Amino acid sequence: DAGVTQSPTHLIKTRGQQVTLRCSPKSGHDTVSWYQQALGQGPQFIFQYYEEEERQRGNFPDRFSGHQFPNYSSELNVNALLLGDSALYLCASSFHRAGAFFGQGTRLTVV
Amino acid sequence: TQLLEQSPQFLSIQEGENLTVYCNSSSVFSSLQWYRQEPGEGPVLLVTVVTGGEVKKLKRLTFQFGDARKDSSLHITAAQPGDTGLYLCAAYTSGTYKYIFGTGTRLKVLA
Repeated sequence: DAGVTQSPTHLIKTRGQQVTLRCSPKSGHDTVSWYQQALGQGPQFIFQYYEEEERQRGNFPDRFSGHQFPNYSSELNVNALLLGDSALYLCASSFHRAGAFFGQGTRLTVV
Repeated sequence: TQLLEQSPQFLSIQEGENLTVYCNSSSVFSSLQWYRQEPGEGPVLLVTVVTGGEVKKLKRLTFQFGDARKDSSLHITAAQPGDTGLYLCAAYTSGTYKYIFGTGTRLKVLA
């Protein structure tokens, strides 16, 4: 079992650009959530996908969007990048309340 | 807004000492998880507790879920330098389908 895999692991982008991050969930998990974690802080919930639809959304602007594919994998898109978007982006997959399993994260740096 | 508050925020102790980390909320949760995160990595799930009053042990770590399912504690016996990391509690609410994270406790165990 490969667990949750994210790509890429590191990324540097320029302000105003767009970025796409990818996530493959743990086998058997149908729900994917995305989190943003700033340095020294706990993860902040961005949104969650279930059955290819956004089921819940945190307090993030519309510049943050996502998608879930039939194989449960997911993408996070961020448009018009700001310096403040620099963070570790975490993908977590889950099945009901058993606990969320995280990928290693994508470190995004906006310059 | 559901909040999970952890205490203490920072803890620096000597190898061999015992410690307890607390996770508190005013909300009732379906389940609660504890994670450990190392710098640049995603959080790793340590345990899930589901039943009020439940106690789970993982080697030197003891986790307890409060009777009312609003709070939890993590106790580490004879801490070792390998226990160093960011400890996060997270709670799952059936109504929102998402995991919310606590503020985190940064533990440093000195040899």
